[in-house]
Amino acid sequence: DQQVKQNSPSLSVQEGRISILNCDYTNSMFDYFLWYKKYPAEGPTFLISISSIKDKNEDGRFTVFLNKSAKHLSLHIVPSQPGDSAVYFCAARIQGAQKLVFGQGTRLTINP
Amino acid sequence: DVKVTQSSRYLVKRTGEKVFLECVQDMDHENMFWYRQDPGLGLRLIYFSYDVKMKEKGDIPEGYSVSREKKERFSLILESASTNQTSMYLCASSLGRPSPRRQPQHFGDGTRLSIL
Repeated sequence: DQQVKQNSPSLSVQEGRISILNCDYTNSMFDYFLWYKKYPAEGPTFLISISSIKDKNEDGRFTVFLNKSAKHLSLHIVPSQPGDSAVYFCAARIQGAQKLVFGQGTRLTINP
Repeated sequence: DVKVTQSSRYLVKRTGEKVFLECVQDMDHENMFWYRQDPGLGLRLIYFSYDVKMKEKGDIPEGYSVSREKKERFSLILESASTNQTSMYLCASSLGRPSPRRQPQHFGDGTRLSIL
């Protein structure tokens, strides 16, 4: 039972353009959503998050959008840079819980 | 700066061996977690602990156990290693209850374990 799904295993984007990574979820009890970025041979690092009471959160080149009615969130990276090439994981937290539920990850490749 | 340290980056063991993976954090975090990462499956939670000597099963605890004798250290134990436990293992920690909403989990760099 995959409660958090990232349906695109990979994405390739031209440098300077917008990268859009998508994530769908099924559990209405999720109250907090996070994006992590992972380089090979390193652990995931926290990128950006959003509370379920908001629909947008922005941090520099990164913006996360949440559509609760569609149970969908997306991460926008503008402009995309070569250093953004990594695997991106979407994660969600159930209200009151400490653990996170992760998606399968999307490998983003930024082409020069 | 936040630091989660996993004792080994690479480990090769044989089927049937008892394997210990160690994780230490220096942030005085209450919560600690063990995940495995496999292609196409993302990060799956094996066990977590929200206090010393406390543990809870995650989504895939079969074949694993854990130990948390001190706050800063969380060990993952493969009781009798099998080839399907070949994977990347990631340890993480976070602040405990009540957890500020903006406190994410902090990860170590992972241990790539191969069971032959």
